[in-house]
Amino acid sequence: AQSVTQPDIHITVSEGASLELRCNYSYGATPYLFWYVQSPGQGLQLLLKYFSGDTLVQGIKGFEAEFKRSQSSFNLRKPSVHWSDAAEYFCAVGDSGNTGKLIFGQGTTLQVKP
Amino acid sequence: DAGVIQSPRHEVTEMGQEVTLRCKPISGHNSLFWYRQTMMRGLELLIYFNNNVPIDDSGMPEDRFSAKMPNASFSTLKIQPSEPRDSAVYFCASSPPLAGPGELFFGEGSRLTVL
Repeated sequence: AQSVTQPDIHITVSEGASLELRCNYSYGATPYLFWYVQSPGQGLQLLLKYFSGDTLVQGIKGFEAEFKRSQSSFNLRKPSVHWSDAAEYFCAVGDSGNTGKLIFGQGTTLQVKP
Repeated sequence: DAGVIQSPRHEVTEMGQEVTLRCKPISGHNSLFWYRQTMMRGLELLIYFNNNVPIDDSGMPEDRFSAKMPNASFSTLKIQPSEPRDSAVYFCASSPPLAGPGELFFGEGSRLTVL
């Protein structure tokens, strides 16, 4: 069965520092992978997605993620964090045969120190 | 442009009462999803519709839950009777035709508290 693991429940970084949020997935075939962000009291917003091709994908708000099949990982990165990046981040895997049945990780809460 | 609109944003009710959550997807989107978010179980897909037809309702927890999509611009999720364990944030999301799988636009959610 598909599953997504986000090992870090909570991460705190200083503003301006680099960020990496970890995501590991379990899926038999080539997965469709996503990162979503949820600000407090808001719905989720798609940051970026990987379907195929270049394993380094660029998203909105300066985020990028790298698909590593050998490690079953899809880690999210940002070179310099801004205070407005404080939010909860969800990694998700999708079934290629289903347009919306995403399996979400438990989420990582990012806190940004001034 | 208007996003996905959900109502009510907050609902507090007593056990046994009927709860109806409403969703208006983005105009032109043809797929609609209902997700539930809890601390214990995270985000779970309850049901999704394509062109107003329910495609997969395997995530609906039990018969107390039902969802309808009478037209392309409106969907409801009903819980009858409600129980305290139904307390959660319920999200509606939609996606346009030809969108890649998983490219969803979420509403702001309906926070349900069942006492």
